[in-house]
Amino acid sequence: GAVVSQHPSRVICKSGTSVKIECRSLDFQATTMFWYRQFPKQSLMLMATSNEGSKATYEQGVEKDKFLINHASLTLSTLTVTSAHPEDSSFYICSARDAGGTSTEAFFGQGTRLTVV
Amino acid sequence: GENVEQHPSTLSVQEGDSAVIKCTYSDSASNYFPWYKQELGKGPQLIIDIRSNVGEKKDQRIAVTLNKTAKHFSLHITETQPEDSAVYFCAAQRNYQLIWGAGTKLIIKP
Repeated sequence: GAVVSQHPSRVICKSGTSVKIECRSLDFQATTMFWYRQFPKQSLMLMATSNEGSKATYEQGVEKDKFLINHASLTLSTLTVTSAHPEDSSFYICSARDAGGTSTEAFFGQGTRLTVV
Repeated sequence: GENVEQHPSTLSVQEGDSAVIKCTYSDSASNYFPWYKQELGKGPQLIIDIRSNVGEKKDQRIAVTLNKTAKHFSLHITETQPEDSAVYFCAAQRNYQLIWGAGTKLIIKP
């Protein structure tokens, strides 16, 4: 299957700083990528849908100024957690769909464990 | 909107026995139903999926059944092995958006 690479896998940052998480589709082009947040022992919660070359669509309750998404190319989307606070500590996961394929399958990255201290 | 319910939340089975996880959905327009396996600290991995025009699909020890009339679908794992221990999520998709179940923690007892 197609590969989605997410980086970093783990990051620890100080409160008030910003953290950038990258999501790359390695062997396919993705016009749409999705960003999820997952709390311990819970399901994935969709934060936003990232569209190449346009603004991201945020889910209700997700602060767009807090979680900045940039999808500048067909293979890269980034999520920046700005002015991070301990309550932003979570597992962040991206997924992508193959723009040129016929499959509806979503391919997931490995996830990023963010800890804000 | 779509709502997906998943049961049970935890399932413990003896190694070698079968495991069944069930999901129901509410939106009849949903047309794609994937199952994901998530190991601790990792992203979800697709293990099997089914589309609304198919009633059953099998891949070695894993099978999925779909009842469109009743709006429910199930994951069946036969001859369970220790490496099957993980959290399993079902999802229903409409217009390329996935709605997730709450997850099932599957424990395989030796």
